[in-house]
Amino acid sequence: DQQVKQNSPSLSVQEGRISILNCDYTNSMFDYFLWYKKYPAEGPTFLISISSIKDKNEDGRFTVFLNKSAKHLSLHIVPSQPGDSAVYFCAASDYSNSGYALNFGKGTSLLVTP
Amino acid sequence: EAGVTQFPSHSVIEKGQTVTLRCDPISGHDNLYWYRRVMGKEIKFLLHFVKESKQDESGMPNNRFLAERTGGTYSTLKVQPAELEDSGVYFCASSQGGRKGIQYFGAGTRLSVL
Repeated sequence: DQQVKQNSPSLSVQEGRISILNCDYTNSMFDYFLWYKKYPAEGPTFLISISSIKDKNEDGRFTVFLNKSAKHLSLHIVPSQPGDSAVYFCAASDYSNSGYALNFGKGTSLLVTP
Repeated sequence: EAGVTQFPSHSVIEKGQTVTLRCDPISGHDNLYWYRRVMGKEIKFLLHFVKESKQDESGMPNNRFLAERTGGTYSTLKVQPAELEDSGVYFCASSQGGRKGIQYFGAGTRLSVL
């Protein structure tokens, strides 16, 4: 059973515009959420995280929003750049287990066009 | 500083053979993780070491998989005997500190079982 879902396999955005990537989760024990970015033939690279006690975290062009009641988080990239083209994975950890294992979504492939 | 290193980058074996994957974590990282991504699916947690001890092996699919971390440094993941469904990309990650420490991923080993 997949506990982290990224329902959009792909997204195309023009350079300079906002990219919004969405993620839903089902496990109410998740208390820490992360976004990873992956280029082909490379491993995932950490991008940004948020704890469940917050509803927003910002780092430069990247902002993550968390809506606990809806069990939904989103990643906003503003402005989008061609170098942002990659696969983005949403991940979460469950404090009721060891809390170290990350549960990943299937990823959303973002294409930023010039 | 060197990142997480995995080898081989690609391994092609026949069903029934044995394969050993290796991971060298970032120096000083006590936590080491193995994940696997089967084609079309999400990245799934396999197990977590703290130094040389297995902290959580709840994601290991069956007893054909054996992970070790001798001396708390590098780790190996052996699959014996390999089955067709074991094909996928095996990622290793390492982190320091507690459960919210950033997990740094290697580029992965692509395993093809024919």
